[in-house]
Amino acid sequence: SQQGEEDPQALSIQEGENATMNCSYKTSINNLQWYRQNSGRGLVHLILIRSNEREKHSGRLRVTLDTSKKSSSLLITASRAADTASYFCATAFNDYKLSFGAGTTVTVRA
Amino acid sequence: KAGVTQTPRYLIKTRGQQVTLSCSPISGHRSVSWYQQTPGQGLQFLFEYFSETQRNKGNFPGRFSGRQFSNSRSEMNVSTLELGDSALYLCASSYEGATSYEQYFGPGTRLTVT
Repeated sequence: SQQGEEDPQALSIQEGENATMNCSYKTSINNLQWYRQNSGRGLVHLILIRSNEREKHSGRLRVTLDTSKKSSSLLITASRAADTASYFCATAFNDYKLSFGAGTTVTVRA
Repeated sequence: KAGVTQTPRYLIKTRGQQVTLSCSPISGHRSVSWYQQTPGQGLQFLFEYFSETQRNKGNFPGRFSGRQFSNSRSEMNVSTLELGDSALYLCASSYEGATSYEQYFGPGTRLTVT
């Protein structure tokens, strides 16, 4: 079963707007990772946040982690058409595997 | 550095046959993981190898197997193919494994079983 659950399942925004998606998980983790996938291709790593971190930034991306609520959020600022993709959160424990959520499909309209 | 490569990219097989997929990790990465992606089940972990040893295996039948060679390249094999094995198979490499490091994914092998 998948540990992470993303919300919402789909998101449609105008170019230039911000996009926020959330991820909830069930058990304790070592780290939480966000990935992007374009049209059924391979996944691209975006950000890894460790369990002792609360916030990380990478370019237009901002990720937060609240281990007490077992949740994370990914914010994409000033979205572009190229941000149209599916976004997945994945959790890692001491078992060398990633457990993925079902993903959020983001559509950025021109 | 070159990225993760997977061969072949597309494959069509018939039920009952077997298939071998190959993955070459990023140079210096010793951990290789395999995932199956389907519309119904999403991304499911198959197995992970590190220095030729399987460290974890997902909830898949024994028809799914893998191995890793001394140069970190990995193969996975599916025997007695079923229609439900049709999926995108993704390989990912990591410095030491997902527990501590991000994973870098290849483009995937799209397997169609008819």
